[in-house]
Amino acid sequence: AQSVAQPEDQVNVAEGNPLTVKCTYSVSGNPYLFWYVQYPNRGLQFLLKYITGDNLVKGSYGFEAEFNKSQTSFHLKKPSALVSDSALYFCAVRSPGGFKTIFGAGTRLFVKA
Amino acid sequence: DVKVTQSSRYLVKRTGEKVFLECVQDMDHENMFWYRQDPGLGLRLIYFSYDVKMKEKGDIPEGYSVSREKKERFSLILESASTNQTSMYLCASSTPTEAFFGQGTRLTVV
Repeated sequence: AQSVAQPEDQVNVAEGNPLTVKCTYSVSGNPYLFWYVQYPNRGLQFLLKYITGDNLVKGSYGFEAEFNKSQTSFHLKKPSALVSDSALYFCAVRSPGGFKTIFGAGTRLFVKA
Repeated sequence: DVKVTQSSRYLVKRTGEKVFLECVQDMDHENMFWYRQDPGLGLRLIYFSYDVKMKEKGDIPEGYSVSREKKERFSLILESASTNQTSMYLCASSTPTEAFFGQGTRLTVV
């Protein structure tokens, strides 16, 4: 069965510092992996995805994520956090050819000025 | 600009009422989804549809049904609303590699 784990309910960082939001997954085969962000009272916005190719994926707003097959991880990173990055972040996984996307529980990122 | 539109941002309904949540997409996607979002639980799939008139149960279909009469529209129906269905409901449509979400409907059942 597919599953996604986001081990941290909340991540706190100071503005200007690097940030990491962790994600591990369990899925058979080669997964499609995604990060979404949600601002208060809004739907989810797509940040980036890994389908195939280079393990380092660059996305919107300066975010990037690294696919690590041996550790089954897909951590979200940003070199320098902004207060406006404060939001709820979801990692998601999908099997190739499948219809269902499985989401993690979400990690709330709080960036302090 | 791609768009998924949910008919209501906020709804308040009474216990026992029949509730319709509407979702329309303008991207000609075949796949559409309904999720509910609850704190600490992430997004849980209620139902999805991969074609007109086709529907599949997700992980938590109990108490819900869906309708997909046209490709662009996917409706979620609460047959008899209950307080435990108070939640944020998110509609999405997708390509094989990316999902697009609506703004969400925050439903309160009193």
